[in-house]
Amino acid sequence: QSVLTQPPSVSGAPGQRVTISCTGSSSNIGARYDVHWYQQLPGTAPKVLIYGNNNRPSGVPDRFSGSKSATSASLAITGLQAEDEADYYCQSYDSSLSGWVFGGGTKLTVL
Amino acid sequence: QLQLQESGPGLVKPSETLSLTCTVSGGSISTSSYFWGWIRQPPGKGLEWIGSIFYTGTTYYNMSLKSRVTISIDTSKNQFSLRLRSVTAADTAVYYCARHAIFSPMDVWGQGTTVTVSS
Repeated sequence: QSVLTQPPSVSGAPGQRVTISCTGSSSNIGARYDVHWYQQLPGTAPKVLIYGNNNRPSGVPDRFSGSKSATSASLAITGLQAEDEADYYCQSYDSSLSGWVFGGGTKLTVL
Repeated sequence: QLQLQESGPGLVKPSETLSLTCTVSGGSISTSSYFWGWIRQPPGKGLEWIGSIFYTGTTYYNMSLKSRVTISIDTSKNQFSLRLRSVTAADTAVYYCARHAIFSPMDVWGQGTTVTVSS
């Protein structure tokens, strides 16, 4: 049971928009700790996709965006492409646990 | 460019101790403000933060693993290490090391190393 809750899977057709939610609590996202998103392609290490709730590292397409509100965060992907098929994880800090926490991960399938 | 590389046995027997080392190259492990962490991923499952160590040696552990985990740092070798005691099959996973600041993302990762717990 992950501290941050994500849907196990989402899917969309090429060109469509999908969102992935990340629900936390008052001791992590709700405590104003930043949320970060990672993309993990099969057999590879996770890569930072969004940091500080809504910032993209250089090289990440602007099709990817993040938002945060209250105790939840979301990752939006517009103009879906086949190469976006991967696992996505949210991550934050939890003050009650005094440690860093991940969401359970969401598998994105491009139909 | 900073790089991290995990190393250690790929097979550990049940009840024994898993030991891994992460070697940092292209930068100093003693850089202020950074934590050096261990994350694992069981087959087909999600990411789990194991613990992190600050460059000063202060450690932070996942409460669910705290009784079995020790993370240490060797600044002279630019390495940090993970020891996980009394392993079971549930500890079989890909183990990653990564760098992060306290509220920043884990921005540099090792490639990961697979550890299987089996007799």
